[in-house]
Amino acid sequence: EVHLVETGGGLVQPGGSLRLSCAASGFTFSNYWMSWVRQAPGKGLEWVANINYDASEKYFVDSVKGRFIISRDNANNSLYLQMNSLRAEDTAVYFCARGIKWRGHFYLDYWGQGTLVTVSS
Amino acid sequence: SYELTQPPSVSVSPGQTAGITCSGDKLGDNYACWYQQKPGQSPVLVIYQDIKRPSGIPERFSGSKSGNTATLTISGTQAMDEADYYCQAWDTSTVVFGGGTKLTVL
Repeated sequence: EVHLVETGGGLVQPGGSLRLSCAASGFTFSNYWMSWVRQAPGKGLEWVANINYDASEKYFVDSVKGRFIISRDNANNSLYLQMNSLRAEDTAVYFCARGIKWRGHFYLDYWGQGTLVTVSS
Repeated sequence: SYELTQPPSVSVSPGQTAGITCSGDKLGDNYACWYQQKPGQSPVLVIYQDIKRPSGIPERFSGSKSGNTATLTISGTQAMDEADYYCQAWDTSTVVFGGGTKLTVL
């Protein structure tokens, strides 16, 4: 059974940094794209970043480019999101999700439970 | 930037059919998928590649697309289907979500 467990959320001051982790199990991690998606309190889903199988391709939403770094450790079945220069508007629940990329389609077939990041002084 | 537009809310009576639309300029050239999210829970994929249903998703959930509009249809809607629904597409290596539709079963 596929399991994705996010950790690392918490309260951080504006301008600070935080590193989220996602532990994957139940599937061959290195065969899949992975994504981070966030949801601000009471708001909709917002895609944050994607990384391909071997980390040779990485994509970000414009609002986090230059501040967030996505990475993965296939040996340890783990996905990471390094978040720097955090802003109040980055406050959200961050979900890790498994991606399926096929013929111009990309969708997220399994999601973790999410971890809350709060940026506030 | 690419945008997907959904109605903020849809209401349906139990046992009736609910339809949620998703419109986007490039949707005719891209596949759409749909997620269900209940309060306090993670999203669940209910439709992918416009019309396909993942294993474990009830047959009452179906997807279709005409031109630049994708539609999620829930036939014989049940109280347990009350949730937020999001469409999603992929364009030039970025993932785009619609704003979400709150489905109320009353």
